[in-house]
Amino acid sequence: AQTVTQSQPEMSVQEAETVTLSCTYDTSENNYYLFWYKQPPSRQMILVIRQEAYKQQNATENRFSVNFQKAAKSFSLKISDSQLGDTAMYFCALSNTGKLIFGQGTTLQVKP
Amino acid sequence: DVKVTQSSRYLVKRTGEKVFLECVQDMDHENMFWYRQDPGLGLRLIYFSYDVKMKEKGDIPEGYSVSREKKERFSLILESASTNQTSMYLCASSLVSGIAYEQYFGPGTRLTVT
Repeated sequence: AQTVTQSQPEMSVQEAETVTLSCTYDTSENNYYLFWYKQPPSRQMILVIRQEAYKQQNATENRFSVNFQKAAKSFSLKISDSQLGDTAMYFCALSNTGKLIFGQGTTLQVKP
Repeated sequence: DVKVTQSSRYLVKRTGEKVFLECVQDMDHENMFWYRQDPGLGLRLIYFSYDVKMKEKGDIPEGYSVSREKKERFSLILESASTNQTSMYLCASSLVSGIAYEQYFGPGTRLTVT
C-alpha cells in the first residue's frame, strides 16, 4: 500500500523567517510524482510545487523549495522569507497512477 | 484560469435524506475527482471519472455514488445521508490522465448531517 505521512500537525513561524515542513512516503513504484498543495483558510487548494522522482535536482518555485531524498523516501518543503499569506494548511501528495494520495496535512501559522 | 465550482459552500441535511453535491469545471478537463477531507486524515478519494459516463471507485466509496452525464459536471450522491458523512467534500479536475498532471480544486462543500 502507498502511504504519505506528515508528522507535524501544526507549526508556526515568524514572518520573514524560514520554515520546513516534513513529509515521508512509501511506494514500491519507481516512477512517481510528489506534490505540495496549499489550502488557505476558506479558500481553494492550489498547487505549490511538484517533483518528479527521476529528477535528482530539487524543485524550486520562488520562495518554495523541496528537499527530495529518494532513498529515504522523504520530501520536505522549505518556505523562505515567510509571509502572512503563507498561513494555510499544507498537504503532501504522491501520484503514480494519476490519482493523488494525500498526507494528513500540516497547519502553518505565520506570525507577524 | 481553470475554474472548478461547487454548488454549495455549506449544506445541512437530515439523516436519511438523499443529498446531491454538484461540481462543474470550465476547462474541458477529462478527469474529475471527489474527495472528503477530515481532520487528521487528510483527503481521501471517494470516486473519480476519466470520461463521460465512466467512473471508478476510490478508497472510500461506501455510501456514495456518482454521476457524470456531461464532461464538465460531476455529481456526488449520498443515497441516504448518515451522521458519519458529515465532512468537507472537495471536487477536483485534471486535464488528462497521467501522474504529472496537477489537479485543480473547487472551494469545497461543508456538509453537516444531523
